[in-house]
Amino acid sequence: QKEVEQNSGPLSVPEGAIASLNCTYSDRGSQSFFWYRQYSGKSPELIMSIYSNGDKEDGRFTAQLNKASQYVSLLIRDSQPSDSATYLCAVRRNYGGATNKLIFGTGTLLAVQP
Amino acid sequence: DTGVSQDPRHKITKRGQNVTFRCDPISEHNRLYWYRQTLGQGPEFLTYFQNEAQLEKSRLLSDRFSAERPKGSFSTLEIQRTEQGDSAMYLCASSPFSGTSGTDTQYFGPGTRLTVL
Repeated sequence: QKEVEQNSGPLSVPEGAIASLNCTYSDRGSQSFFWYRQYSGKSPELIMSIYSNGDKEDGRFTAQLNKASQYVSLLIRDSQPSDSATYLCAVRRNYGGATNKLIFGTGTLLAVQP
Repeated sequence: DTGVSQDPRHKITKRGQNVTFRCDPISEHNRLYWYRQTLGQGPEFLTYFQNEAQLEKSRLLSDRFSAERPKGSFSTLEIQRTEQGDSAMYLCASSPFSGTSGTDTQYFGPGTRLTVL
């Protein structure tokens, strides 16, 4: 079982629709969760971070966290062609000096059709 | 506030050669990370510095790999005797220290794409 799992896609949605990206993780001790966007050939760019159960909204993006189900998701409202990219879910385990690394999923490729 | 910078952006080398990459973090970020990303995969952690101290190394970081951050500012990652399997994007990230809240966020540089022929 991979530590962080994502559907590789591609997830194809029409312009203006809601894109829903999902991620599950295996380590119940995980405390911090991040969504990064990565365009082809570029480096990851932070979209959202979430630390507590529930929803967190930032513009067209909403991150949802359910620690009991070990599930984190990203909703993109009013999807635009410029949102077409790979979305990486990243998880950090226990915070502190001992380990601070991010564990990434393989990413979900989102294609927004004009 | 400039972002994380990495140099070079691209490196082509022959198998068996040594290569060195440089990373300059966001100013005042005392934490610096190296990751490696291959096609179709997410970034994989290599190593992490807090100031000049290397606090964690992945098992991926074989004895051919060495990283330094001598003055707690920029960092270098050296790969000795490169192999074709080392071909990847090498990403550097930095983050500020946010105490015990656990909310520090890692910001990535543009990466160095290594091709070993």
